[in-house]
Amino acid sequence: QELLVESGGGVVQPGKSVRVTCEASGFMFVNYGMHWVRQAPGKGLEWVAAIAYDAAKIYYAESVKGRATISRDNSKNTVSLQLSNLRSDDSGVYYCSRSVITTDSFELWGQGTLVTVSS
Amino acid sequence: SYVLTQPASVSVAPGKTATITCGGYDLGSKDVHWYQQRPGQAPVLVVSDDDYRPSGIPERISGTNSGNTATLTISRAEAGDEADYYCQVWDDVTNHQVFGGGTRLTVL
Repeated sequence: QELLVESGGGVVQPGKSVRVTCEASGFMFVNYGMHWVRQAPGKGLEWVAAIAYDAAKIYYAESVKGRATISRDNSKNTVSLQLSNLRSDDSGVYYCSRSVITTDSFELWGQGTLVTVSS
Repeated sequence: SYVLTQPASVSVAPGKTATITCGGYDLGSKDVHWYQQRPGQAPVLVVSDDDYRPSGIPERISGTNSGNTATLTISRAEAGDEADYYCQVWDDVTNHQVFGGGTRLTVL
């Protein structure tokens, strides 16, 4: 069974950093581009970042550029997102998702991990 | 930046057909993907590349894309179709993925 499982969420103070990680299983992780998509409470989906299968191409949304770092470890089947200088509008569920290439559709999603930015 | 516009809500009677639109400049030249998100759940891809249904998606769900508008059509609507639906494209000018604002489908 193809699965994506996120972890690392929690309550974080404004101005601090958070690292969320996604572990993949059941498929050849090295063959796929990976993304982070977030959803603020009661709001729509917002794409955050993408990384190609070999990490040669990386893209960020303007809302996180300069504060976010996406990375992957193909030996461990994991992709991570580090977000620094957190603001209240960074709060939400962070989903990990998979695409054949980074410009394609999100064909598999994890269940998400909740990040709450609060003092 | 590229903008996708969806109606906030659509209602449909059980057994009837629901249409959800997604508007954007020259959208017909892009590949449009659609996601269904039921309450409390992660999104699920229901249509990719304008009109392709992934495995397991019923034939009642279909997509089209032409001009400035893409459309998701749900035929013979059921209570289980109640969800939020999002369209999405890749913007090759900014190298960003872009989502529409989402449409809440109510089956009543």
